[in-house]
Amino acid sequence: DAKTTQPPSMDCAEGRAANLPCNHSTISGNEYVYWYRQIHSQGPQYIIHGLKNNETNEMASLIITEDRKSSTLILPHATLRDTAVYYCIVAYSGAGSYQLTFGKGTKLSVIP
Amino acid sequence: DSGVTQTPKHLITATGQRVTLRCSPRSGDLSVYWYQQSLDQGLQFLIQYYNGEERAKGNILERFSAQQFPDLHSELNLSSLELGDSALYFCASSEEGGSTEAFFGQGTRLTVV
Repeated sequence: DAKTTQPPSMDCAEGRAANLPCNHSTISGNEYVYWYRQIHSQGPQYIIHGLKNNETNEMASLIITEDRKSSTLILPHATLRDTAVYYCIVAYSGAGSYQLTFGKGTKLSVIP
Repeated sequence: DSGVTQTPKHLITATGQRVTLRCSPRSGDLSVYWYQQSLDQGLQFLIQYYNGEERAKGNILERFSAQQFPDLHSELNLSSLELGDSALYFCASSEEGGSTEAFFGQGTRLTVV
């Protein structure tokens, strides 16, 4: 079972920041938070991941609370092409093993 | 383009048949993962290979098997197919198995009739 809870859907106006929340209250100390997205029926696309510090890359920012029980993915300037299902995943990255358990995700709709 | 190539893109076959799905990982990636996505189950992890060896197993049926060859490409074999096996099958690859991102192919859509 997925270890995360996400809202099933969200809307965001084009050009505004999209803030996608995720609860992972049972996360353990060596588990990372990963975010992927899936546009229509394409293959999932990696966005960002983090352990405890906030992270930023060219696609998004990841804010992890100090107790690590929740996080927020921020798309700073959402475009129509960001309409997708966003998956928040908690995973242990042991040597040689990388098992991602996808939940139902959040369907983000970017509105013109 | 993720660099992961899956063939074929579409496959239609009859119940009871056997099919092979093929995956070429990104250049240099040692790990290959297989996922199944059906309408009612979402994305399910099936199996992982790392440099030719099975590394992790998920919800893979006994009728399904996989292998990774010396050139690191992988094949997923599905036999005694049932209607419920109709799904999108994704392959992903990563450099190792640690905290690196996985790159997914565009999937093979299998329809069992």
